[in-house]
Amino acid sequence: DGGITQSPKYLFRKEGQNVTLSCEQNLNHDAMYWYRQDPGQGLRLIYYSQIVNDFQKGDIAEGYSVSREKKESFPLTVTSAQKNPTAFYLCASSTGQGGYQPQHFGDGTRLSIL
Amino acid sequence: GQQVMQIPQYQHVQEGEDFTTYCNSSTTLSNIQWYKQRPGGHPVFLIQLVKSGEVKKQKRLTFQNGEAKKNSSLHITATQTTDVGTYFCFDGGATNKLIFGTGTLLAVQP
Repeated sequence: DGGITQSPKYLFRKEGQNVTLSCEQNLNHDAMYWYRQDPGQGLRLIYYSQIVNDFQKGDIAEGYSVSREKKESFPLTVTSAQKNPTAFYLCASSTGQGGYQPQHFGDGTRLSIL
Repeated sequence: GQQVMQIPQYQHVQEGEDFTTYCNSSTTLSNIQWYKQRPGGHPVFLIQLVKSGEVKKQKRLTFQNGEAKKNSSLHITATQTTDVGTYFCFDGGATNKLIFGTGTLLAVQP
């Protein structure tokens, strides 16, 4: 079955540590996205990528970094510069330009501070 | 910047009652999508509305855009316990800004 796989499901970060969240899709989608969701809140865009080797910052990109070396993969690194990283992180993909095609989401990664 | 607010934030209904969530934007909505997120789950795409005044139906769900395209609504007729979750509107935006609404959490009591 085609879909989006996020790993790990749960992740704990120590102070000063960088952690990387994995997102892989086998839907052959061009566009991929990372969102952050805080408890009881909506989704906020961190980064998005329309094609390989290209990505744009969303509203809350500070303290995060991404890469898009392969069409299938869009990993997110939460750096030590992100002072409040505890949240639910969701990866999504779509066939075409962001906002004009439905987004398909992975099951998410819950990140907590140790 | 653009803000997309949804009201109410939370609604508790008895099974069989109707439910409506409203999505209001500070600027014109370009391309409206609606998503449902079950508790502990991820958002799932429901429908897309593009034109002003557009109405679409999916069984008990009715989606409608305002004439000025600054608002949209989702109405559920005769709610069921399977309707529980948070409903989000989303605006793709002409300038490629991807903005989710604040969401409405629906609780349905059997």
